[in-house]
Amino acid sequence: QVQLVESGGGVVQPGRSLRLSCAASGFTFSSYGMHWVRQAPGKGLEWVAFIRYDGSNKYYADSVKGRFTISRDNSKNTLYLQMDSLRAEDTAVYYCAKDPGAAAGTAGFDYWGQGTLVTVSS
Amino acid sequence: ETTLTQSPAFMSATPGDKVNISCKASQDIDDDMNWYQQKPGEAAIFIIQEATTLVPGISPRFSGSGYGTDFTLTINNIESEDAAYYFCLQHDNFPLTFGGGTKVEIK
Repeated sequence: QVQLVESGGGVVQPGRSLRLSCAASGFTFSSYGMHWVRQAPGKGLEWVAFIRYDGSNKYYADSVKGRFTISRDNSKNTLYLQMDSLRAEDTAVYYCAKDPGAAAGTAGFDYWGQGTLVTVSS
Repeated sequence: ETTLTQSPAFMSATPGDKVNISCKASQDIDDDMNWYQQKPGEAAIFIIQEATTLVPGISPRFSGSGYGTDFTLTINNIESEDAAYYFCLQHDNFPLTFGGGTKVEIK
């Protein structure tokens, strides 16, 4: 069955960097687009970024554009989110999610991970 | 950006009740609406796709309706296992956006 397992969360100071990983299994990772989504404490869900199945196209929320980078290693079945210049408002549970399609990014999500908590605090 | 207004934010239901959760889009999104269920500490589960299609393996007590800007998730004959957080997602355009969520409690 499809499994998505996030890791890399933790406590980090404002202005520092963190890299999240999402290990995928149970499907042909290299054939599907992937997303990152986050949920701040007590707030709603926010889509963060999308990457095409082959990594050739990426989209970002305005709130993270220029600071976060989504990438993937299809040989390792792993999705990444490099988060630089972190701010307090980036504090959230970060989820990776699988897209039912390969390239467009506008098919929604059919599977989610359980999330990893990132806390940005001095 | 498409804003989704989901209501109610919280509801308490009795086993056997019929429950409706609404999601209104700020612009026409055709049928590009999905619904999800999430329980604490667990991964979200995909329950309704393209506004009205039940995801395979999901209980037929769940159904979805709507098109354009107004959408509804219905849970018929609600059971204790349905206690969860439910949210809608529009995938018509970037950025993908979510409704604010509904916490469903079973009495």
